[in-house]
Amino acid sequence: AQSVAQPEDQVNVAEGNPLTVKCTYSVSGNPYLFWYVQYPNRGLQFLLKYITGDNLVKGSYGFEAEFNKSQTSFHLKKPSALVSDSALYFCAVRERTNAGKSTFGDGTTLTVKP
Amino acid sequence: GAVVSQHPSRVICKSGTSVKIECRSLDFQATTMFWYRQFPKQSLMLMATSNEGSKATYEQGVEKDKFLINHASLTLSTLTVTSAHPEDSSFYICSARLGRLDTQYFGPGTRLTVL
Repeated sequence: AQSVAQPEDQVNVAEGNPLTVKCTYSVSGNPYLFWYVQYPNRGLQFLLKYITGDNLVKGSYGFEAEFNKSQTSFHLKKPSALVSDSALYFCAVRERTNAGKSTFGDGTTLTVKP
Repeated sequence: GAVVSQHPSRVICKSGTSVKIECRSLDFQATTMFWYRQFPKQSLMLMATSNEGSKATYEQGVEKDKFLINHASLTLSTLTVTSAHPEDSSFYICSARLGRLDTQYFGPGTRLTVL
């Protein structure tokens, strides 16, 4: 069975500072990993994904994520946070062999203060 | 990225009535669509997975006779909440993907309020 953990319900950073939103996963085999962002009363927007290749994945709006197989992590990062980055972030995992349903984490609320 | 639309974005209905929510993939053909339910400040709860032309697969605990899902074409899936009750009030989100290895793209969601 596959699972995702986002250990922090809330992350607070000051504008201009780097941000990290943590995600760890558990799958049997190699994973597909995704990050999505959700603004209030909206659906989820795709940010980035890891399929294979480079462990550092670059995505939309200046976000990036690093796949770490030994630590089974896929943390989302941004070098300089913006107030407009404040939103709910979801990590998701899908098994390659199954490639069926994705499992989503519980979400992390990011608040960037001016 | 790919575009998925949902209609309506917001609906208020009386208890006992049925409500239909449409999900369309606008610029790609979605072999698989997913329906989720989201409670305030919580994660997504997968309700069902539907493949074009076949019956939907419902998650454990989701009543298939209450939440009717139809995926009649590669660009359209519908969720009908039958005999809605106040406890069905929620944010419903659909998602679509082209193939098993592809990214899921999400619709903007539908806020259902049952009075």
